[in-house]
Amino acid sequence: EAGVTQFPSHSVIEKGQTVTLRCDPISGHDNLYWYRRVMGKEIKFLLHFVKESKQDESGMPNNRFLAERTGGTYSTLKVQPAELEDSGVYFCASSRRTLTNTEAFFGQGTRLTVV
Amino acid sequence: QKEVEQDPGPLSVPEGAIVSLNCTYSNSAFQYFMWYRQYSRKGPELLMYTYSSGNKEDGRFTAQVDKSSKYISLFIRDSQPSDSATYLCAMSPWGQDDKIIFGKGTRLHILP
Repeated sequence: EAGVTQFPSHSVIEKGQTVTLRCDPISGHDNLYWYRRVMGKEIKFLLHFVKESKQDESGMPNNRFLAERTGGTYSTLKVQPAELEDSGVYFCASSRRTLTNTEAFFGQGTRLTVV
Repeated sequence: QKEVEQDPGPLSVPEGAIVSLNCTYSNSAFQYFMWYRQYSRKGPELLMYTYSSGNKEDGRFTAQVDKSSKYISLFIRDSQPSDSATYLCAMSPWGQDDKIIFGKGTRLHILP
């Protein structure tokens, strides 16, 4: 079974440009999460999808960030326009809740560098 | 005050030693306590999970939660070079997968 996959693995863009990150969750996982780790800081929650609906987007830093999950499958996170402080590693995670297990599986992350 | 405090290390120990990693937290609402292992350029991988207080053992790994002290620990027995990684403590009030609050992570090096 394929794990959570993220594209691209690394992206370098100039300040002011637009970048779109993609996450493909594990098949059958209704829950999809985005997290971000800024250098020197903890991994922090950004938002949570249940299928195609945003369940919680309280961690989104500002309106330059837009997340979508059309059709409840893969998700994209767009940053427009990118700022220097947006640099970091963006992780996606997915889960399928059962009575006994709600483990979140993480992707390898997308390393975003804004110059 | 940060919700979760974790010493970032690095921590270097000889192969075969017992490793002790720990975190403190401030939010009494946390009920789900996790330890993740992260290798370089990889995503976090769930290692251990405990609900509420108590101990949990899985092979060479033991997780402890002391809610009265707001303190959690991970012990690794008979440490191996393959255990070298960053270990992240993580917590949530709502669920194992829900809006997880992470510590900074401790970099661990097991010396052969």
